[in-house]
Amino acid sequence: DTAVSQTPKYLVTQMGNDKSIKCEQNLGHDTMYWYKQDSKKFLKIMFSYNNKELIINETVPNRFSPKSPDKAHLNLHINSLELGDSAVYFCASSQLAGLAEQYFGPGTRLTVT
Amino acid sequence: DAKTTQPNSMESNEEEPVHLPCNHSTISGTDYIHWYRQLPSQGPEYVIHGLTSNVNNRMASLAIAEDRKSSTLILHRATLRDAAVYYCILRTSGAGSYQLTFGKGTKLSVIP
Repeated sequence: DTAVSQTPKYLVTQMGNDKSIKCEQNLGHDTMYWYKQDSKKFLKIMFSYNNKELIINETVPNRFSPKSPDKAHLNLHINSLELGDSAVYFCASSQLAGLAEQYFGPGTRLTVT
Repeated sequence: DAKTTQPNSMESNEEEPVHLPCNHSTISGTDYIHWYRQLPSQGPEYVIHGLTSNVNNRMASLAIAEDRKSSTLILHRATLRDAAVYYCILRTSGAGSYQLTFGKGTKLSVIP
């Protein structure tokens, strides 16, 4: 069973389009995250949700909007895509206790042309 | 966030032990030391964490210096599957402990 799953795995789209990436975890965790890994391989947190409530919102353009319909899902919607949004996006989850290990999904490679 | 320093890359022969160092001279008393690794084309994977005492689990061992200013991740017998980027991360136990701040990590190559 996949613990943290993301769809789609690859996403190729044109500038200006709006797209969504979905994430689901079946671990019963309370906290979910979105990370971005750029072409230089730096991993940076974007958002964190705890029990469907936003707790971390790093400096990310407001074109990016996370949505958590329930605590097992955290979707990422991106409006007006730009070339610089091309990256690999990782979803992760962890137990409520902040020091618990995080479980990452396989990533979604987004390419904006 | 407190910073960590790791070598950019290391090599190991297959089936030999690997010692991956990490310096964290500005660590505070409440910072935990976490290690994650990222295999090619995969998401990061938790390896181990500790506070003061050495820790062992099925994947690795973590040796923490007495002054806590450095630590070493030990893979007892490297396999080809261990080739990955290894990240040493400090996490506070207070506010902001939800997030991981990844650095550049150490790229480990395993030679058959």
